[in-house]
Amino acid sequence: AQKVTQAQTEISVVEKEDVTLDCVYETRDTTYYLFWYKQPPSGELVFLIRRNSFDEQNEISGRYSWNFQKSTSSFNFTITASQVVDSAVYFCALSADSGNTPLVFGKGTRLSVIA
Amino acid sequence: EAQVTQNPRYLITVTGKKLTVTCSQNMNHEYMSWYRQDPGLGLRQIYYSMNVEVTDKGDVPEGYKVSRKEKRNFPLILESPSPNQTSLYFCASSLGTSGTGELFFGEGSRLTVL
Repeated sequence: AQKVTQAQTEISVVEKEDVTLDCVYETRDTTYYLFWYKQPPSGELVFLIRRNSFDEQNEISGRYSWNFQKSTSSFNFTITASQVVDSAVYFCALSADSGNTPLVFGKGTRLSVIA
Repeated sequence: EAQVTQNPRYLITVTGKKLTVTCSQNMNHEYMSWYRQDPGLGLRQIYYSMNVEVTDKGDVPEGYKVSRKEKRNFPLILESPSPNQTSLYFCASSLGTSGTGELFFGEGSRLTVL
């Protein structure tokens, strides 16, 4: 069975601090995809990144970066120099490529950035 | 504008009164899915569809039905709603049939069952 664990339920940081959101996953599949989604206070769900299991290169997009490590089954998300607009719930998700497997989300991490 | 549209956005109903939440996408996506979001539980998949006339159960399908008669529409049906189905519901679609691509979500439908 697939599983995604986001151990941090809530995190508070002061603006301009760096913050890392942890994501640990479990799957028996060799081909799978990992995602991060953002849910701001307005409620919509916004796609941030998709990474396949064969690509362990870290990704950077502006202030956002992702660290994928198969050895520890982790796909962590770092926000550098956080801003108030980063306040949101962030979800990590996993989808396997083995046919009819549901997309599994973690329970989310609520990030509050305080001015 | 590319979008996934859900209706209604808000609904209060009573136990046992059948209801349908509609979902429509204009991106010609093959894959569509329904999720429910509950505090402390994150998003859980209810049903998904990889193509027209093909639907399958997700993690929490009990009490729900879906249909996929046309590519663009994927309604969620609650035949006899119960209070434990009070939740925030999201419809999503994705290019490709596997569901491993980027998901485009609707704005959500908040359902309360009394």
